[in-house]
Amino acid sequence: GENVEQHPSTLSVQEGDSAVIKCTYSDSASNYFPWYKQELGKRPQLIIDIRSNVGEKKDQRIAVTLNKTAKHFSLHITETQPEDSAVYFCAASRGAQKLVFGQGTRLTINP
Amino acid sequence: DADVTQTPRNRITKTGKRIMLECSQTKGHDRMYWYRQDPGLGLRLIYYSFDVKDINKGEISDGYSVSRQAQAKFSLSLESAIPNQTALYFCATSGGTGRNYEQYFGPGTRLTVT
Repeated sequence: GENVEQHPSTLSVQEGDSAVIKCTYSDSASNYFPWYKQELGKRPQLIIDIRSNVGEKKDQRIAVTLNKTAKHFSLHITETQPEDSAVYFCAASRGAQKLVFGQGTRLTINP
Repeated sequence: DADVTQTPRNRITKTGKRIMLECSQTKGHDRMYWYRQDPGLGLRLIYYSFDVKDINKGEISDGYSVSRQAQAKFSLSLESAIPNQTALYFCATSGGTGRNYEQYFGPGTRLTVT
């Protein structure tokens, strides 16, 4: 079955700097890669996703890149702000099948 | 997101007790999921259901059972609770069709087994 590895487990950056979180997956048939954000005490919520027919997707300050050959994808957050502090999860699936999540990255933005 | 609700929100129970966690949704989604969240381990899938007559085991189903009572309701049971089942439990739903794969999570149930 699918296995998703996520790094780093914790990340601390200065406000205004960029943050990058990386994930690798094992199932070459996976074609859907979402990222979820979980603020302290809250539920996970989708922030961006990418499908295997594109290599990059942007939404304001966040972007996701996908390298199908290497089976890895990354989340990029630019101009970080205090409200970006949260736990971020990557995940992978074959289309609408069940998601397999990475272990999570705790991102802290230092003022 | 009030469209996915979970009861109870917090529960403390003793080892050996049977406990049921309930999930309801008003999003009209066919697909429902139960996850467990432990620090450093991410979200692990316990059971999932793609429609009322479909139940599937996830990666950590041992010690758990589920019931899909209706399209809108999906319950998780711990037949005989043990301390290492202490965790945060999330229910989620998704449409699964029309290329809409987003999962919507409930607020979570914090379960403590003493």
